[in-house]
Amino acid sequence: GAGVSQSPSNKVTEKGKDVELRCDPISGHTALYWYRQRLGQGLEFLIYFQGNSAPDKSGLPSDRFSAERTGESVSTLTIQRTQQEDSAVYLCASSDQRWGTGQPQHFGDGTRLSIL
Amino acid sequence: GENVEQHPSTLSVQEGDSAVIKCTYSDSASNYFPWYKQELGKRPQLIIDIRSNVGEKKDQRIAVTLNKTAKHFSLHITETQPEDSAVYFCAASKSGAGSYQLTFGKGTKLSVIP
Repeated sequence: GAGVSQSPSNKVTEKGKDVELRCDPISGHTALYWYRQRLGQGLEFLIYFQGNSAPDKSGLPSDRFSAERTGESVSTLTIQRTQQEDSAVYLCASSDQRWGTGQPQHFGDGTRLSIL
Repeated sequence: GENVEQHPSTLSVQEGDSAVIKCTYSDSASNYFPWYKQELGKRPQLIIDIRSNVGEKKDQRIAVTLNKTAKHFSLHITETQPEDSAVYFCAASKSGAGSYQLTFGKGTKLSVIP
């Protein structure tokens, strides 16, 4: 079946512009996660959705970052008034958390965001 | 919150030798420990995972061990091959109260020298 799909794959924008990143999780996966990976670095947790609710927003770096999920499916991560330090690969992952225990997270290919 | 430390940050081995990557975690409630492999420019791929009710798990040339008392877990790759070259990330999470986020280590860049 289809894996996690992210779009766009690459985004170049000017400082100060808003960007919207999209994630289509694996069908039926109840949980969805956003991570940020700067060049040569590890994965930084941003936000997590269980269904359409985000019980943990603690990783969002600033109030310029927001995310939503609808229909227990697609999620969008929005960055307002982008700054150069926002340049990174934004990775989305999904997992089937119906069983109440940690489950493998499956990653998309990411969106490479470059702020000029 | 959880903190995961990973060592070493870089590792070079000769083809055919074994490689070991170690991680420690801080939250004794963590109970799920996956390992991911990330090739350059690619997505992280799950290669093996272990739960806290198990001490060791093997899958062909890859094995993971878990010591709950010491709060550390390790990845072992035997008979390394050039295609094993990648960055490897360990992670930890706990279940309960809907908290399934993974906390990742900073990664180990493994180079297998032919």
